[in-house]
Amino acid sequence: QSVLTQPPSVSGAPGQRVTFSCTGTSSNIGAGYDVQWYQHLPGTAPKLLMYGDRNRPSGVPERFSGARSGTSASLAITGLQAEDEADYYCLSYDSSLRGWVFGGGTKLTVL
Amino acid sequence: EVQLVESGGGLVQPGGSLRLSCAASEFTVDTYYMSWVRQAPGKGLEWVSVIYGGGSTYYADSVKGRFAISRDNSKNTLYLQMNSLRAEDTAVYYCARGGAVSDAFDIWGQGTRVIVSS
Repeated sequence: QSVLTQPPSVSGAPGQRVTFSCTGTSSNIGAGYDVQWYQHLPGTAPKLLMYGDRNRPSGVPERFSGARSGTSASLAITGLQAEDEADYYCLSYDSSLRGWVFGGGTKLTVL
Repeated sequence: EVQLVESGGGLVQPGGSLRLSCAASEFTVDTYYMSWVRQAPGKGLEWVSVIYGGGSTYYADSVKGRFAISRDNSKNTLYLQMNSLRAEDTAVYYCARGGAVSDAFDIWGQGTRVIVSS
């Protein structure tokens, strides 16, 4: 059971908008720690998509956006593309564990 | 090119030990904080350990007392010493750099596979 909760799967057709949710607690997201989002294809290096809740590193398309409210955060992808099919993880720091915690990951299927 | 390259994975028996290495290029490992993250077969990503620039270290409860993170600044290399290995430690282990882009992990290695089995 992951400390951060993510739905196991999300799907959408090309061109559509999909969102990923990430629910934490008062010791991580609710405590004000930043949320990061990673895109991962198993066996490859995870890729940083979003940091500081809503900031995109250079090279990440504007189709990706992040938001945060209370003890939750979300990632949205607009104009869905086949190449977006991957696993998506949220990550935050947890003060009670004194370390980072990942969500369980959400598998995106592009229909 | 800024990059991380892991090595040292392999097959080890339960109760055995293994040391993973993570060589950094184009930056120094003691300037940032460095972490190990793993992914067990069919599971999600799991944070394992961190070493800060000042040398402080922290561990996930699942590995505390068995794993030790360290670095050799002269070799610009991060290490993970894994002792008393269990079947549930079987995973791909990634090293990652943190602190260059806010508090995010912006550079990751390609991973090294550890299999704990008799």
